[in-house]
Amino acid sequence: KQEVTQIPAALSVPEGENLVLNCSFTDSAIYNLQWFRQDPGKGLTSLLLIQSSQREQTSGRLNASLDKSSGRSTLYIAASQPGDSATYLCAVPSGGYQKVTFGTGTKLQVIP
Amino acid sequence: NAGVMQNPRHLVRRRGQEARLRCSPMKGHSHVYWYRQLPEEGLKFMVYLQKENIIDESGMPKERFSAEFPKEGPSILRIQQVVRGDSAAYFCASSPMMGEQFFGPGTRLTVL
Repeated sequence: KQEVTQIPAALSVPEGENLVLNCSFTDSAIYNLQWFRQDPGKGLTSLLLIQSSQREQTSGRLNASLDKSSGRSTLYIAASQPGDSATYLCAVPSGGYQKVTFGTGTKLQVIP
Repeated sequence: NAGVMQNPRHLVRRRGQEARLRCSPMKGHSHVYWYRQLPEEGLKFMVYLQKENIIDESGMPKERFSAEFPKEGPSILRIQQVVRGDSAAYFCASSPMMGEQFFGPGTRLTVL
């Protein structure tokens, strides 16, 4: 059974800092890994998708890496802004298709 | 190409009533997934469907909950005889085969 853990559970940083969010998963037989953002009371916004054959993906100030063998992914946010404040979720498909297991989430607060 | 659509966005029901949640996948997507997010908890997989078939319903409660994805029309998540513990945000996602999942805005169910 796939289990996904995210560390830290909450993070508060001053504006402008670079930060790293961590995600670990127990079953390395994955097709891809997605990072999402969720604002309070809102839906999910897909940030990055890394295919299992890739090691990283970049979009603007975001960079996600994937190490399948160790069961880890990191989301790097450069020059954080108050608008980045949200909960960040890591999601991993498993079970031979795309039944997705979500991580516990990291709640980020960027202080102006 | 419109994104995944869910309606209603907010649904209020009294205990014992039925709740029907609808999800229209993105054009060209034949895979639909339903997830539930209980207050202050993470997203949990409920059911995975393809057209006219339930592929995996391992995350769905055995009683009162059912899902369908007919040949024509949206996918429906049906909750009979709702109880207060059913209050949650219900998210639908769709994907092409083995592709990235795209999430709808969710339906927030409140049971009075």
